[in-house]
Amino acid sequence: AQTVTQSQPEMSVQEAETVTLSCTYDTSENNYYLFWYKQPPSRQMILVIRQEAYKQQNATENRFSVNFQKAAKSFSLKISDSQLGDTAMYFCAFMKPGLYNQGGKLIFGQGTELSVKP
Amino acid sequence: DAGVTQSPTHLIKTRGQHVTLRCSPISGHKSVSWYQQVLGQGPQFIFQYYEKEERGRGNFPDRFSARQFPNYSSELNVNALLLGDSALYLCASSFAGTGGISPLHFGNGTRLTVT
Repeated sequence: AQTVTQSQPEMSVQEAETVTLSCTYDTSENNYYLFWYKQPPSRQMILVIRQEAYKQQNATENRFSVNFQKAAKSFSLKISDSQLGDTAMYFCAFMKPGLYNQGGKLIFGQGTELSVKP
Repeated sequence: DAGVTQSPTHLIKTRGQHVTLRCSPISGHKSVSWYQQVLGQGPQFIFQYYEKEERGRGNFPDRFSARQFPNYSSELNVNALLLGDSALYLCASSFAGTGGISPLHFGNGTRLTVT
């Protein structure tokens, strides 16, 4: 069975600075997907960034980038130039593709609560 | 375009009662998944439906059931409610097809409180 672990329950960062959130996972699969989701107080889970395991290049989305280390089963999220609107709970998630490529189940970590301070 | 919509937004029920939660996916999305998020934890997978058939089930008791309708909307039913069923229930939809995974898009959830 797959597991996802986020070892930092809470983190804080000053506005405009850089912060890195950690995530490790355990799987015997070779083909899978990793995601970072953001959940602000509004409750909606918002996709931040995704990474396909077969891609060696780390994914980037504007101020967000990942450090994907497949052998180490590590998937950290770096947020550059932090903004007040980045304050939220961040979840790391693992997905094994379903039989019909319809998007299999997501396995989430416990979350890291990030506070961006002015 | 409208996102994933869930109803109701909040619900209070008594132990032993039954509840039905509803979800409308993004137009064109054929896959719907349900998740339970207990306060302070990450969401836990309950069900996935694709083309009106169950494609995956998490480790939840038989009191939990779901279905998907021809228009791809979905209902989650929970019977004989327990205090431990109090949680945020999230629905997510995705566009299923060839060419790789499309990410899940989540609704705002239904906050269920069991007293």
